[in-house]
Amino acid sequence: NAGVTQTPKFQVLKTGQSMTLQCAQDMNHEYMSWYRQDPGMGLRLIHYSVGAGITDQGEVPNGYNVSRSTTEDFPLRLLSAAPSQTSVYFCASMGGGYGYTFGSGTRLTVV
Amino acid sequence: KNQVEQSPQSLIILEGKNCTLQCNYTVSPFSNLRWYKQDTGRGPVSLTIMTFSENTKSNGRYTATLDADTKQSSLHITASQLSDSASYICVVSNQAGTALIFGKGTTLSVSS
Repeated sequence: NAGVTQTPKFQVLKTGQSMTLQCAQDMNHEYMSWYRQDPGMGLRLIHYSVGAGITDQGEVPNGYNVSRSTTEDFPLRLLSAAPSQTSVYFCASMGGGYGYTFGSGTRLTVV
Repeated sequence: KNQVEQSPQSLIILEGKNCTLQCNYTVSPFSNLRWYKQDTGRGPVSLTIMTFSENTKSNGRYTATLDADTKQSSLHITASQLSDSASYICVVSNQAGTALIFGKGTTLSVSS
């Protein structure tokens, strides 16, 4: 039982490049979400999904796309990377009892 | 505006000492409050979750308290260990667990 798995752990992009951050969970959780964590700020919600085929925007969705074709996977796409998207990204899933499980994070640098 | 404020921003204590971290929130309606521990370079890990009706909850050497009337919570760490060095994040939910407001965290350093 791996929990929430994020890949890659580190990534450097050039401005304008696109990429996909992968997130997979094996706990059969319906709810999944993406956060970004910046120095001096709390985690901020980018996008979330309450089940396969259903996604919605969070607090800071601009510049990011998501899709949820399966219960297990919730990839986050950066369409055209900008330096302002340099951050640490966390994927999380939630099951019963309000318990959140976070992945180990992806540290993204956009130059 | 829904907000979660934590204090202090950072704290340094000696190994074996106790400490208390504070969390004040202005989230309404309130569903539950969580404390997370985040080690450097890792994702947050849940320590405690408390609903409106709970006043205290323990997890080993960690004890969280909640006063829903004053909208305050605290996390007490007993007999600190070097491995307690981490960021402690207070998180409040204003719905059935899916809308979370994160505090900025308290960075705790335990030295020998």
